[in-house]
Amino acid sequence: DGGITQSPKYLFRKEGQNVTLSCEQNLNHDAMYWYRQDPGQGLRLIYYSQIVNDFQKGDIAEGYSVSREKKESFPLTVTSAQKNPTAFYLCASTPGALSSYNEQFFGPGTRLTVL
Amino acid sequence: QQQVKQSPQSLIVQKGGISIINCAYENTAFDYFPWYQQFPGKGPALLIAIRPDVSEKKEGRFTISFNKSAKQFSLHIMDSQPGDSATYFCAASMTTDSWGKLQFGAGTQVVVTP
Repeated sequence: DGGITQSPKYLFRKEGQNVTLSCEQNLNHDAMYWYRQDPGQGLRLIYYSQIVNDFQKGDIAEGYSVSREKKESFPLTVTSAQKNPTAFYLCASTPGALSSYNEQFFGPGTRLTVL
Repeated sequence: QQQVKQSPQSLIVQKGGISIINCAYENTAFDYFPWYQQFPGKGPALLIAIRPDVSEKKEGRFTISFNKSAKQFSLHIMDSQPGDSATYFCAASMTTDSWGKLQFGAGTQVVVTP
């Protein structure tokens, strides 16, 4: 079964903690993305990556970090510097950043709550 | 600042009615306009997409209308069903963007009543 998996589904964080959200895809896609979703604000881009060991900041990268050590994996760390991390986090991928139609495939999401 | 503006924020329609969601953009370099459907607690899924070389695209009960001069596009859901109750996002991108980034609207929550 090909697809994007995100874990955990729910995550609770205490103030001052760093937490890491997992994103794995077995679609052999080159490009991967992390979005944050808040009610009434749509999807905002945090980080994106086109190839292994390379990634770029999106519109709201402050307080977040990523790595891309393997093509299949693009974990997101929410650091203690992120002032308001409670949100629904979505990982996505595309076959190749230069694909004609830029269709993005999304994972099921991780809901992060700060206690 | 959102590059794609979507309205309304929410709408309620009776079963069998027509749902209409509108989006507007400023960047004339955008040339790919997808719509995503998201159910509660799930990730968005591509519903239908259009390129600006056509003014309308239909897939089943879902139709995208595109007005290039007005820089607007809309989603029409015909014969709305309770199973269509979801949040819908419009988006836009440039196929020349090597990063494949999408700019999303804020979303419209659609509720179809029985």
